[in-house]
Amino acid sequence: GAVVSQHPSWVICKSGTSVKIECRSLDFQATTMFWYRQFPKQSLMLMATSNEGSKATYEQGVEKDKFLINHASLTLSTLTVTSAHPEDSSFYICSATLAGGPDTQYFGPGTRLTVL
Amino acid sequence: DAKTTQPNSMESNEEEPVHLPCNHSTISGTDYIHWYRQLPSQGPEYVIHGLTSNVNNRMASLAIAEDRKSSTLILHRATLRDAAVYYCILRDHDMRFGAGTRLTVKP
Repeated sequence: GAVVSQHPSWVICKSGTSVKIECRSLDFQATTMFWYRQFPKQSLMLMATSNEGSKATYEQGVEKDKFLINHASLTLSTLTVTSAHPEDSSFYICSATLAGGPDTQYFGPGTRLTVL
Repeated sequence: DAKTTQPNSMESNEEEPVHLPCNHSTISGTDYIHWYRQLPSQGPEYVIHGLTSNVNNRMASLAIAEDRKSSTLILHRATLRDAAVYYCILRDHDMRFGAGTRLTVKP
C-alpha cells in the first residue's frame, strides 16, 4: 500500500527557533499534500494544501509566513515552523493523494513538536 | 463545504459487531464518503470509501443510504485494536475533519 513518512517523529526546540518537518511519499507520486495540526483531545485541523510546484493554499487563520510550506517534488513536502513559540507545540500530520488515483488520503505517522 | 455529523463516542464489546453512523445531509452528487480511523499518537489510517453502493474490504463494510444522506461503517467483529477515533469525511476538494466518534472496545 501507499506509505507516507514524516521526519522527525518528534522534536523539542527552544522558543524563537525554526523547525522543519519533512513529509515523503515513499512508493508513489503525490500530486497534492495536506498539512494538519492536532492539539490534545481534538480533531485534526487542516492548515494548508500544497500542490507540487505551486504555492500552498492556507486555511483561514493560518499564517503563511509562520508556517512555510514547500512542495518541490512529487514525493516531498516540507513544513517549516518559523520562530516557534510554546503555543505552536502540537502534533503535525501530513497526508498525500495518489497522483492519478482516487482521492484516498494516505497519512504520515505525525511529528510531535514541543517548544520550550 | 459538505459537513458530517457523528456521535461523539460509542462503546462495543469485543468480538461483537459495531455500527458507526454518519449523517451527511448536504452531500453533493460527486462527493465520495471516506472513513478513516486514528489510534492514539498516530496519523489517521484509511478504512474504506464509497460513492453510492455498499462496499466491503478486509477491514470493514460501508453501508450507504439510498439517498446518500447517511452512511454506516460496520466492523463485523470488534477487537481491542479497533479502539480508535473514527472519522467520516466527504471527499471534495480538501480534507477537513469533524470531531469523529471515539470507539471504546471492552474485553
